[in-house]
Amino acid sequence: AQKITQTQPGMFVQEKEAVTLDCTYDTSDPSYGLFWYKQPSSGEMIFLIYQGSYDQQNATEGRYSLNFQKARKSANLVISASQLGDSAMYFCAMRELNQGGKLIFGQGTELSVKP
Amino acid sequence: DVKVTQSSRYLVKRTGEKVFLECVQDMDHENMFWYRQDPGLGLRLIYFSYDVKMKEKGDIPEGYSVSREKKERFSLILESASTNQTSMYLCASSAPLGGEHPYEQYFGPGTRLTVT
Repeated sequence: AQKITQTQPGMFVQEKEAVTLDCTYDTSDPSYGLFWYKQPSSGEMIFLIYQGSYDQQNATEGRYSLNFQKARKSANLVISASQLGDSAMYFCAMRELNQGGKLIFGQGTELSVKP
Repeated sequence: DVKVTQSSRYLVKRTGEKVFLECVQDMDHENMFWYRQDPGLGLRLIYFSYDVKMKEKGDIPEGYSVSREKKERFSLILESASTNQTSMYLCASSAPLGGEHPYEQYFGPGTRLTVT
């Protein structure tokens, strides 16, 4: 069963607009962590934002915020004021407590920012 | 700053060759991982290691083996390369308290392997 689902293979957004990238997850572990990574065309994976399952507030890192809805098991990434440099693949990932350091990744969403 | 390096950015090998992909991290991380990345499939875990000389199979270990003789180095071995192993290979490392977030993984730049 897919544990991390990203249902948007590709998305377009106009420069300076906000965009939401969807991520849903499936776990019965009460303790887990959620990550978002960005992968530009150069290939390197860049950490963006982290949300712990017990965190009371939604995580924010600059223009990135994570819309964490625990009951719905969703962890959507919101990018505000999109820039051309935001064009990249975006991956959602989850770590479950009983899995040690392993991360499970979603299929990814390719975001294209239009000028 | 954590640095994870991989021995090659691009590699072209012939079917049947033995291929070594090397990964080195400089932050004394216990955990190291090898993934392959294919379009539409995300990152899939091949093997991982929690300690020196220790290895565990990931989701797609068939056709691969690994070696971890030193803490900082984790090697992926394709015993007999096949065309269906053409892919992007990413190495990562992590530690329980090795970054700003527990078990945050730090990635190398990737190796794009083509098997002809």
